[in-house]
Amino acid sequence: EVQLVQSGAEVKKPGESLKISCKVSGYDFTTHWIGWVRQMSGKGLEWMGIVYVGDGDTRYSPSFQGHVTISADRSINTVYLQWSTLKASDTALYFCARNSYFDYWGQGTLVTVTS
Amino acid sequence: EIVMTQSPATLSVSPGERATLSCRASQSITTYLAWFQQKPGQAPRLLIYSASTRATGIPARFSGSGSGTEFTLTISSLQSDDSAVYYCQHYSNWPPWAFGQGTKVEIK
Repeated sequence: EVQLVQSGAEVKKPGESLKISCKVSGYDFTTHWIGWVRQMSGKGLEWMGIVYVGDGDTRYSPSFQGHVTISADRSINTVYLQWSTLKASDTALYFCARNSYFDYWGQGTLVTVTS
Repeated sequence: EIVMTQSPATLSVSPGERATLSCRASQSITTYLAWFQQKPGQAPRLLIYSASTRATGIPARFSGSGSGTEFTLTISSLQSDDSAVYYCQHYSNWPPWAFGQGTKVEIK
């Protein structure tokens, strides 16, 4: 069974760093894309970026390029989304999902950035 | 960057009636298009990929069509459980890819 399990909710202050995770199981981790999606409260889905785990090829939406980093650790079947400097506007629910057409999704990680 | 535009923003349909949702791409994406359903408090669920292929376990009342720049998701006989927001997403060529802004389907 394919599963994507995300790390728990986070509360951070502006300017802090953060790394959230998405642990996958049930399939060959290295042969698929894993992407990240943002959903701000009451808003639509925003495509952030994606990594092809097999070779580490990572692509970002222009809207998120330079503000987040996506990475993968093949040894523990985990993909990460990280920020070096959080802003209040990063407050949102973040999903990871598999494949180019997102056939499997994680449960979401709520990130709250507040002073 | 390809932009996806969905219409209408909100659709109100009676149970048993047909719902037709549209998605337009700013340039041709051939059939590299997926549709998702999202209910409040839940992760999105894949309904359709490759513009017209139903995902595993998706009821036959959901169908997708189109190619190039114009796409349609049809719910042939709306049920109360279909109340949700529906999103299209292209995955044409190499990333980055993008979602449409969503269509909210309400039951009359």
